[in-house]
Amino acid sequence: DAMVIQNPRYQVTQFGKPVTLSCSQTLNHNVMYWYQQKSSQAPKLLFHYYDKDFNNEADTPDNFQSRRPNTSFCFLDIRSPGLGDAAMYLCATSTTTSVREQYFGPGTRLTVT
Amino acid sequence: AQSVAQPEDQVNVAEGNPLTVKCTYSVSGNPYLFWYVQYPNRGLQFLLKYITGDNLVKGSYGFEAEFNKSQTSFHLKKPSALVSDSALYFCAVRAYSGAGSYQLTFGKGTKLSVIP
Repeated sequence: DAMVIQNPRYQVTQFGKPVTLSCSQTLNHNVMYWYQQKSSQAPKLLFHYYDKDFNNEADTPDNFQSRRPNTSFCFLDIRSPGLGDAAMYLCATSTTTSVREQYFGPGTRLTVT
Repeated sequence: AQSVAQPEDQVNVAEGNPLTVKCTYSVSGNPYLFWYVQYPNRGLQFLLKYITGDNLVKGSYGFEAEFNKSQTSFHLKKPSALVSDSALYFCAVRAYSGAGSYQLTFGKGTKLSVIP
């Protein structure tokens, strides 16, 4: 089945230690998104790629970076995680930037110790 | 700015009873509206969308939503609730984010609990 896959599902990192979260998709969608979701809150868009074009939200901290080496994969890098970065990180895809529905992965829950 | 509001943090309903999860929107132009459901420790799953056309939209798992332009609402409904419907529900609106790009802006979510 075509899908959005996130690895790992659970990630524990230490305060200040860089961490990378991974997302892959078999849908061949040209848009990929990264959201941060804190407990029982709405997902907050961090950035998205339209093909190789990177679009950063104005309030996304510089501590968060992203890479998209090809259509299928997208990575979220947190350069120096703080305790406030503990959250669920959701990857999503859609066919065009006009946004019909988005397809979400299962998420990676990040714990910062 | 495009936004949606979900006025209820939690909705409790007895199994077998009809359920409604409320959403109101504020947009300029024609709204593109969505409902998503999230089960614990999982990603969001698409339920249904309103783009244009019939005001009553049917979606997955027996859910439907009614678009009401005069009341700027897009409430999610189901005629008979199941215990397995217990989850977090998000209403969302398409918002323009510049440079020809659009994004989804989510409401804060409503926790639905279906009581056996």
